Amino acid sequence: SYELTQPPSVSVSPGQTANITCSGDKLGDRYIYWYQQKTGQSPVVVISQNDKRPSGIPERFSGSSSARTATLTISGTQAMDEADYYCQAWDSGTAVFGGGTELTVL
Amino acid sequence: QVQLQESGPGLVKPSLTLSLTCTVSGDSISSGDSYWSWIRQPPQKGLEWIGYISDSGNTYYNPPLKSRFTLSVDTSKNHFSLKVNSVTAADTAVYFCARAPLPGDSFDYWGQGLLVTVSS
Repeated sequence: SYELTQPPSVSVSPGQTANITCSGDKLGDRYIYWYQQKTGQSPVVVISQNDKRPSGIPERFSGSSSARTATLTISGTQAMDEADYYCQAWDSGTAVFGGGTELTVL
Repeated sequence: QVQLQESGPGLVKPSLTLSLTCTVSGDSISSGDSYWSWIRQPPQKGLEWIGYISDSGNTYYNPPLKSRFTLSVDTSKNHFSLKVNSVTAADTAVYFCARAPLPGDSFDYWGQGLLVTVSS
């Protein structure tokens, strides 16, 4: 079965840039989506189709993707960005989530 | 504004069947514009997609879960449902319902989630 791999945790200082990676086979052949999930809340999509920011998502969130790695970048990270982040793709009709990355802002 | 709301029991005994319903407002399931999914999250763990259903009842399941999980839809009530047979402690999770405009799209609207505990 298809797998997406994320680092379990990333730490960043306020105001700095956070990069969260998601690796998998043939990422260039599929779209990657990124979700932010704060404690006790439902996930919210912050990046769609590799690099598109849905309405209402701050400009500091951006995404990129290459053959094997997709990256969520948060520029000028704020304390409110502390959350779990999940990448997601579709493979043969099945939605696949990465294991999630806990972003700590300290 | 599209809203999804899960409902069902918070506690289920092992070996029994879990039944959950997701009621949709702000969108009509019968419009056929979207696909409706269930996703679960065990405590302190990641997200696991269970499957989706269309307005016509077409379903697609995550292969490892296919044997015990059944999705259904009732367009007259604008809701869709999930049944899980022979539950075990491993089925303890927050269950979310979510919408994707098409398979291959993002999940753009989610319910608030419902914690289901399997315990005797």
